[in-house]
Amino acid sequence: DTAVSQTPKYLVTQMGNDKSIKCEQNLGHDTMYWYKQDSKKFLKIMFSYNNKELIINETVPNRFSPKSPDKAHLNLHINSLELGDSAVYFCASSHEGSYTEAFFGQGTRLTVV
Amino acid sequence: RKEVEQDPGPFNVPEGATVAFNCTYSNSASQSFFWYRQDCRKEPKLLMSVYSSGNEDGRFTAQLNRASQYISLLIRDSKLSDSATYLCVVNARGNQFYFGTGTSLTVIP
Repeated sequence: DTAVSQTPKYLVTQMGNDKSIKCEQNLGHDTMYWYKQDSKKFLKIMFSYNNKELIINETVPNRFSPKSPDKAHLNLHINSLELGDSAVYFCASSHEGSYTEAFFGQGTRLTVV
Repeated sequence: RKEVEQDPGPFNVPEGATVAFNCTYSNSASQSFFWYRQDCRKEPKLLMSVYSSGNEDGRFTAQLNRASQYISLLIRDSKLSDSATYLCVVNARGNQFYFGTGTSLTVIP
């Protein structure tokens, strides 16, 4: 059983398109996240979300928006894709609180051409 | 200033060597600390949590120094399978996991 699963694994799309990446977790976690890993391999938090609060990294363009239909899902929508959006996007989840680890999905490799 | 700073390496060590990675964090209110491992083209996976008293798991020892805001990971008797990127992670404000840039380790036969 995959704990955190995201689809698709690979996504190639043209500039200007709108795309979504789906994420689901079956761990019963309260909080989900989206991270971006760029070509230099740095993992940067984009969003964290639980039922109470959406925390947005202020450097994330508003073309990116998280959508959570329920506690087990946090999808990432990207509008008007740009070349610089090419990266690996990781979904993660954890229990709420400070003393808990995060579990990651296998990543979505997005290439904008 | 970055939340978490790590020496990116790379570290190239022979099998059997002992290698240490260091990490500093900027938020003194940070509450939990971790080392993750990331293999090429894979997701990060938890290697070990870091407790105030220091903790050991087989060949791996993690230490935390809150006064200096410093975390370390020691790997003894390195194996070829230890080759990966090691990520220092700090949960700074509850539900905010901040990653260091990662330290690349290659263990050479």
